[in-house]
Amino acid sequence: DAGVIQSPRHEVTEMGQEVTLRCKPISGHDYLFWYRQTMMRGLELLIYFNNNVPIDDSGMPEDRFSAKMPNASFSTLKIQPSEPRDSAVYFCASSLGRREERDRRAYEQYFGPGTRLTVT
Amino acid sequence: AQKVTQAQTEISVVEKEDVTLDCVYETRDTTYYLFWYKQPPSGELVFLIRRNSFDEQNEISGRYSWNFQKSTSSFNFTITASQVVDSAVYFCALHTGVTGGFKTIFGAGTRLFVKA
Repeated sequence: DAGVIQSPRHEVTEMGQEVTLRCKPISGHDYLFWYRQTMMRGLELLIYFNNNVPIDDSGMPEDRFSAKMPNASFSTLKIQPSEPRDSAVYFCASSLGRREERDRRAYEQYFGPGTRLTVT
Repeated sequence: AQKVTQAQTEISVVEKEDVTLDCVYETRDTTYYLFWYKQPPSGELVFLIRRNSFDEQNEISGRYSWNFQKSTSSFNFTITASQVVDSAVYFCALHTGVTGGFKTIFGAGTRLFVKA
């Protein structure tokens, strides 16, 4: 079974350009998460979706960031315009929700390989 | 408020030593989940274990073991007979609000160096 797929793996762009990061979650998972990892701030949850619906985007740093999930197998994170401080590794993760009280697989998040973004 | 504290920033051990990584969490939720993830130098995040708040059984998986104690809000991770391949950053995470509006909060991570 394929894991979470992210593309591109590396992205170098100039300040002011639009950047789109892509994610394909594990088939059957109903939660999708976008994280950002930097040395200064560690791992931060940006936004998550449940059944393709954005539930909490309070971690999105500012209006330059937007995320969509048009269907169960695809999500994008867009930064427009990009700035040097957006340089980070962006991870996508997916998980199953809880089906019953003692669901042994609920909320185990499986991460993609990440996209290393460099904005110059 | 929810919080995860990994007080050990870096730990260095010699191969075959046992090492324990500490994790202390804070939450007012009665139902929550705790996780450990490994991030090797290659950068990916690898899921290691999940624990439910209602299951305090400790778990052993090969050289790895986890000690969950609700009384002290701790979920510590021990590697027995460490190996060089265990060198990585290890993250403890707390997942709360399962009845709605949940959050996943990661600790700052503990970098483990295992020297040959």
